[in-house]
Amino acid sequence: DIQMTQSPSSVSASVGDRVTITCRASQGISSYLAWYQQKPGKAPKLLIYTAFNLRGGVPSRFSGSGSGTDFTLTISSLQPEDFATYYCQQAKSFPLTFGGGTKVEIK
Amino acid sequence: EVQLAESGGGLVQPGGSLRLSCAASGFTFSNYWMTWVRQAPGKGLEWVANINEDGSDKYYVDSVKGRFTISRDNAKNSLYLQMNSLRAEDTAVYYCADWNSSSGDFQDWGQGTLVTVSS
Repeated sequence: DIQMTQSPSSVSASVGDRVTITCRASQGISSYLAWYQQKPGKAPKLLIYTAFNLRGGVPSRFSGSGSGTDFTLTISSLQPEDFATYYCQQAKSFPLTFGGGTKVEIK
Repeated sequence: EVQLAESGGGLVQPGGSLRLSCAASGFTFSNYWMTWVRQAPGKGLEWVANINEDGSDKYYVDSVKGRFTISRDNAKNSLYLQMNSLRAEDTAVYYCADWNSSSGDFQDWGQGTLVTVSS
């Protein structure tokens, strides 16, 4: 199974800050990596697919990069609605696996 | 607009069974792989099972193999998860989602249904 490791597990940031979350796969997954945002009590929402493609309707302040084993989600200027937990997910092979999550909190 | 609505969750005793349903609308259900993902209270996301467009291909996480069965009825635009021999560790919110078989991501999600396994 492919293990996904996210870091940090939590980050405190202020509105307007640049936030970077990393995700590492235990083996190469090419660009088969997705990012999700989840707010308390809500279902996850797809933000980015195949490592860097922004889903329609997702603000351009979100961006993704990386390939192989190392990936990054960047929020260029944090907005109040961005405080949430973010998950990466490998889409290379079954079983599909998620990272442990990164909680973005208000500083 | 894509809508996915889960139902069937509830309280069940260890060893018991439950059947979850997911009603889909707003897209051509029979053209999509579908999936179940769960989230234990206060924990992260865990993929549970996938089923292909016509139901002939299924995949499961090891922890539910032999206990859970994913199925679908394309005539009813519905996805199901039959859960048998339930354990305390199956307690979670269960989400259905459509799965893009090309890019491997979960595109649209339901609101989830809570399954609690406890005596």
